Amino acid sequence: NAGVTQTPKFRVLKTGQSMTLLCAQDMNHEYMYWYRQDPGMGLRLIHYSVGEGTTAKGEVPDGYNVSRLKKQNFLLGLESAAPSQTSVYFCATQKMGLRTFHYEQYFGPGTRLTVT
Amino acid sequence: AQKVTQAQTEISVVEKEDVTLDCVYETRDTTYYLFWYKQPPSGELVFLIRRNSFDEQNEISGRYSWNFQKSTSSFNFTITASQVVDSAVYFCALSEFRDSSYKLIFGSGTRLLVRP
Repeated sequence: NAGVTQTPKFRVLKTGQSMTLLCAQDMNHEYMYWYRQDPGMGLRLIHYSVGEGTTAKGEVPDGYNVSRLKKQNFLLGLESAAPSQTSVYFCATQKMGLRTFHYEQYFGPGTRLTVT
Repeated sequence: AQKVTQAQTEISVVEKEDVTLDCVYETRDTTYYLFWYKQPPSGELVFLIRRNSFDEQNEISGRYSWNFQKSTSSFNFTITASQVVDSAVYFCALSEFRDSSYKLIFGSGTRLLVRP
C-alpha cells in the first residue's frame, strides 16, 4: 500500500504560470484535504472534499481550485501562481467516522512549491 | 472561535532531559478531538495520539505521555528521557465536525531540538 502520494515533490513556477498538484490515495478514505504549511503558521486548510464529486472551501481558498472526479484522487490547481503561494502543500485523507468519533488524518509527503 | 495555541516556538534540551510541549485550545463544541502530530526533518507528518473531549484520562506510550485537562483547555505532551531522534516539529490540532466534514485546526507548532 502506497498510502497517500503527492506529485510532484518539488516545483518552481514563474509568476502567472499555472500548475496542478495531484494527490492519490489507496486507502479508500472518503475525506480528502489540501493544506499549505508556511513557517510559523502551522498547516492551514485550503480546500477539502467529503466524497467523489464534491469539494468545499477551507480557510485559505483564494487563488486555488480543486476537483475530485475519482474517489482516490484530489487535484489542487493554481491558475495564475503568485509569490504568496510559495509554500509546502500537503494532502491528507481521513476515514469516515461518526460525529462522536474522529479518525486521524493521513498525510502525503508534501510538495514544495516556489513561485518566483 | 476555534483556535489552538502552542506558545513555545522552539525548545532546546540536552539528551535524557524531560521536556513538556504545551497546547491550549479554544472551542465552542462539547464534542471534539485533540491530536498530536510529529514532523521530523524529513517533512512528513506522523500521527501520535488522539483524545476525545469526554476522556480526560492521561495516556502514556513508552517515553511519551499526554495530559488532557478540560478545566484549563490544555493537552500537553511530555517526552521523558528525550533522545536525538525526538528532534522534530510537533503540532497539536483540534478536530471538530462541521459543515458535514471534520475540520482539523493546527497550532503553529513547537520545534524541539534534542542535543547530544
